[in-house]
Amino acid sequence: GAGVSQSPRYKVAKRGQDVALRCDPISGHVSLFWYQQALGQGPEFLTYFQNEAQLDKSGLPSDRFFAERPEGSVSTLKIQRTQQEDSAVYLCASSLGLAGGLGTDTQYFGPGTRLTVL
Amino acid sequence: QKEVEQNSGPLSVPEGAIASLNCTYSDRVSQSFFWYRQYSGKSPELIMSIYSNGDKEDGRFTAQLNKASQYVSLLIRDSQPSDSATYLCAIEFMRFGAGTRLTVKP
Repeated sequence: GAGVSQSPRYKVAKRGQDVALRCDPISGHVSLFWYQQALGQGPEFLTYFQNEAQLDKSGLPSDRFFAERPEGSVSTLKIQRTQQEDSAVYLCASSLGLAGGLGTDTQYFGPGTRLTVL
Repeated sequence: QKEVEQNSGPLSVPEGAIASLNCTYSDRVSQSFFWYRQYSGKSPELIMSIYSNGDKEDGRFTAQLNKASQYVSLLIRDSQPSDSATYLCAIEFMRFGAGTRLTVKP
């Protein structure tokens, strides 16, 4: 497809369950980003990949959050032992160039995964 | 102080008016600045990017950047009801403001 895709679009989990969220970036895009967006707030940065390398994970809120991009394309965000405060929309974005690469760092967002933890 | 602050809104303008959205940031070394539009229940979509001081125009949209004063703004001319959305200011790739909700009334 032409854009960033994410699956599932909606996920309901019981507190304590593990979840895995998938992101398919635009083909050829070097950079991939994960964000968490709570209702009424702007996206909060979670982590950044340049190809398969996770260069920045400073935004991951706890060690229950883990992200990977093993072949430099598809990425998975995993949340272990989900808590109610994890309920949010999880956005994935990709860009052609490197973060900070002026003019090539435009991010294209996927539709998001809405996670609800009961 | 938050890293990226936007005027709190909500902002309401009549159709055909100019809507002005403002954003200030704290990191002086920032180089990339973006405005995104986000419709309710949808993901952000890029409207404008700006990298150097001054104005950048694209159709009805003008982004203004002043690095010395650490602010970036977005002007929407001839506002349309379809412009009603939340506008997000982003600095570099990781710092987003909370957004300003704009309503354009017919």
